[in-house]
Amino acid sequence: GNSVTQMEGPVTLSEEAFLTINCTYTATGYPSLFWYVQYPGEGLQLLLKATKADDKGSNKGFEATYRKETTSFHLEKGSVQVSDSAVYFCALSEGFQKLVFGTGTRLLVSP
Amino acid sequence: DAGVIQSPRHEVTEMGQEVTLRCKPISGHNSLFWYRQTMMRGLELLIYFNNNVPIDDSGMPEDRFSAKMPNASFSTLKIQPSEPRDSAVYFCASSLFFTGTGVGYEQYFGPGTRLTVT
Repeated sequence: GNSVTQMEGPVTLSEEAFLTINCTYTATGYPSLFWYVQYPGEGLQLLLKATKADDKGSNKGFEATYRKETTSFHLEKGSVQVSDSAVYFCALSEGFQKLVFGTGTRLLVSP
Repeated sequence: DAGVIQSPRHEVTEMGQEVTLRCKPISGHNSLFWYRQTMMRGLELLIYFNNNVPIDDSGMPEDRFSAKMPNASFSTLKIQPSEPRDSAVYFCASSLFFTGTGVGYEQYFGPGTRLTVT
């Protein structure tokens, strides 16, 4: 079945460092891909999405490109802030509605 | 506008007791999802509804779990009897779904209910 694999965390960075969180997927067909973020004590929020190959999703300085040839959707940000500390989930959609999530990657940013 | 509302936020109960979790989706949304989040298994979809009708309950772990959506503004997830391994954070999410195209849009998550079964 469909699945999402994320790099294990935690990822620990200093403020203004470059961030990459790797995500690869296995899917039949052509799913949409998503990054969700979860701040402590809160539910998940959609960060960005891409619906077809070569699409780039972006939001709040974060970017991810849908790479069909490598089945990847890596999350990047050029300069992280302390406020970006959270858990990040990569996900794909099955049949337009069902979401399959990765295990999440915790990001810790220190001043 | 109010987001997805879940209650209670925290629930502590003893093994064998019945537990009911509640969710109010965003007004106007016609799809509702129940998820469970644990350290061991991550985030799992339990069941989802379109227009108050259960579409896929393949993620419901056992017959002890049941979910209902009596109207567009309310859903419950019930565990009876509860067991310690049910301890988790349960999230409800809602979205818009267009029946004609079969396309669903962004899911909005509630804050979750942290369930502890002792």
